[in-house]
Amino acid sequence: EIVLTQSPGTLSLSPGERATLSCRASQSVSSSNLAWYQQKPGQAPRLLIYGASNRATGIPDRFSGSGSGTDFTLTISALEPEDFAVFYCQQYSTLPITFGQGTRLEIK
Amino acid sequence: EVQLVESGGGLVQLGGSLRLSCAASGFTVSGHFMHWVRQAPGKGLVWVARISSDASSIVYADSVKGRFTLSRDIAKNTLHLQINSLRADDTAVYYCVRLSGTIIWGHGTLVTVSS
Repeated sequence: EIVLTQSPGTLSLSPGERATLSCRASQSVSSSNLAWYQQKPGQAPRLLIYGASNRATGIPDRFSGSGSGTDFTLTISALEPEDFAVFYCQQYSTLPITFGQGTRLEIK
Repeated sequence: EVQLVESGGGLVQLGGSLRLSCAASGFTVSGHFMHWVRQAPGKGLVWVARISSDASSIVYADSVKGRFTLSRDIAKNTLHLQINSLRADDTAVYYCVRLSGTIIWGHGTLVTVSS
């Protein structure tokens, strides 16, 4: 099983600041099968990035993904008030499909 | 519009059974690998099961093996997840997910197991 470890667990930032979220895999993940999601309370996860670096339809360009192998990053260039939520990475290359434990992005 | 709509959740007693459904529109489930993912209250996302596009391969997470059964109805373009011998730790929102092609998630259906 591929274990995904996200860091930090909680990130406290202010609107306008840059956010950098990390996702590290216990073994190499195909870049084409790495996704990032945003989730707000009471809502389903919202796809932000697929294939490690491709923005999903309708996702603002302040969201970007990068990385390969075992290290992946989600960057939010300038935080908007609506961006604060929990973020998950996911690998869908190998069964069982696994998710990181999440990074909570909170307003400072 | 491409979408997935889950149904069938509810309050059920410990040891009981429930059948969840996932109706697809805008695409055919027979053309894609389809998954179920669940999320316990306040917890993270956990993969539950997957059915291949031709239904020849169905794989379950160890935690549900032997209790959950994933199937599909091609005529209704719908997936079903039969859940038996429900335990307290099965309490969760259950999501139907397509991970091939464009990633699509349903809105989820809540299963609550009571003692």
